[in-house]
Amino acid sequence: NAGVTQTPKFQVLKTGQSMTLQCAQDMNHEYMSWYRQDPGMGLRLIHYSVGAGITDQGEVPNGYNVSRSTTEDFPLRLLSAAPSQTSVYFCASSELAGGPRNEQFFGPGTRLTVL
Amino acid sequence: AQRVTQPEKLLSVFKGAPVELKCNYSYSGSPELFWYVQYSRQRLQLLLRHISRESIKGFTADLNKGETSFHLKKPFAQEEDSAMYYCALWTGANNLFFGTGTRLTVIP
Repeated sequence: NAGVTQTPKFQVLKTGQSMTLQCAQDMNHEYMSWYRQDPGMGLRLIHYSVGAGITDQGEVPNGYNVSRSTTEDFPLRLLSAAPSQTSVYFCASSELAGGPRNEQFFGPGTRLTVL
Repeated sequence: AQRVTQPEKLLSVFKGAPVELKCNYSYSGSPELFWYVQYSRQRLQLLLRHISRESIKGFTADLNKGETSFHLKKPFAQEEDSAMYYCALWTGANNLFFGTGTRLTVIP
C-alpha cells in the first residue's frame, strides 16, 4: 500500500507557465482534497472531491482547477502560475462518510516555487 | 467565521517535563476537534480526535466548550515527541480548518 502519492516533490515555474500536480491514492477513498501550506497560515483547502466526477471549491480555489476522472487520481492544475502560488501543496484522502471528519491520509507534499 | 488559533509557534520543554500545546477555536456550533502531527521527514498524520476520547502516545486533549479550547497535553515529554503539531476544526461541511501549528522541541 503506497497510500497517497504526489509528484513532483519539487517544482520551479516561471510566471505564466502551467503545470499539473499529480495525486494518487490506492486506498479506495472517495474523498480527496488539496491543501496549500504557507508560512504563518496553516493548511488551507483549495479544492476537494467526494467521488469520481464530483469536485467542489474550498477556501482558496482561485487560480487552480481540478478534475476527478477516477477514484484513484485527483490532479491539481495551475493554468497560469503566479508568484502568489509559491507554496507547499498537500493532497489528502479519507473515507467518504464525513469527509474530512474522518482520518485524513496525507501525501508527502510538493514544494512549488513560482519566479 | 471558523478560526483555529495556536498561539505558540515554538515550544521547547525538557525531557520528562509536562507539555501543553494550546489550541483555541472560534465556532458557534458543535465542533469536532483534531490534532495532527508531522514528525521530521514524515507525513502529516492524525494524532487524536476529541470524539475518540483516547490517549495516543501518552497525549490527551479535552474539548472545553466553555473556554473554546482543545489543548494537547502530555505529562512527561519524550525526545520522539519533537514535531510540528496542528490543531484542526471540523464544522460539519467539507472543510477542515487548520491552525498555524506549533513546533515542539523536547530537549534531552
